[in-house]
Amino acid sequence: EPEVTQTPSHQVTQMGQEVILRCVPISNHLYFYWYRQILGQKVEFLVSFYNNEISEKSEIFDDQFSVERPDGSNFTLKIRSTKLEDSAMYFCASTLTGDTQYFGPGTRLTVL
Amino acid sequence: AQSVTQLGSHVSVSEGALVLLRCNYSSSVPPYLFWYVQYPNQGLQLLLKYTSAATLVKGINGFEAEFKKSETSFHLTKPSAHMSDAAEYFCAVRDSGAGSYQLTFGKGTKLSVIP
Repeated sequence: EPEVTQTPSHQVTQMGQEVILRCVPISNHLYFYWYRQILGQKVEFLVSFYNNEISEKSEIFDDQFSVERPDGSNFTLKIRSTKLEDSAMYFCASTLTGDTQYFGPGTRLTVL
Repeated sequence: AQSVTQLGSHVSVSEGALVLLRCNYSSSVPPYLFWYVQYPNQGLQLLLKYTSAATLVKGINGFEAEFKKSETSFHLTKPSAHMSDAAEYFCAVRDSGAGSYQLTFGKGTKLSVIP
């Protein structure tokens, strides 16, 4: 069964460094998302991406964040200058029609 | 704006007992509703979804949920708990309209199953 994959599973970085989190959505899906879950808190929407552009973003998704679909398979989330409060589990999701979102296993980001 | 409230951050049941996890939602437009399960160190797996068809929805692993518009609820049930059901469960809502597909999640309910 097709699934969403994410790499790396765990990323440790120093505050102020740039990180890129990578996702490979399900191959025929058209809508892509990033969510994050700070430890002990709810899963929060960050951004959605369709037709090579951002379709929605939350107030969390500020200028430090960017997304890209550099080729036909990858979907990336870049954080330009990480802060301590960016430490969280980041989930990628994809969907074909916007109905059901399929989530990847997540990348745990630790900012020191 | 939408919101989801999950009553009980932690629920414990005995193996073989009924599982009931509560979810209430708030939405200004007809909602689509979802339950996801998260096993330790894993991602979110879809259990079931309501997308305006039958109000009683059956999902994987014997779970079901009933959409009750009058109560703005979408509670998750399973008649008989199994040890493998121990996980965290998230209720989520999104607009049924086109163009707004972001999910709004509840805080989650951690289910423990006692042998």
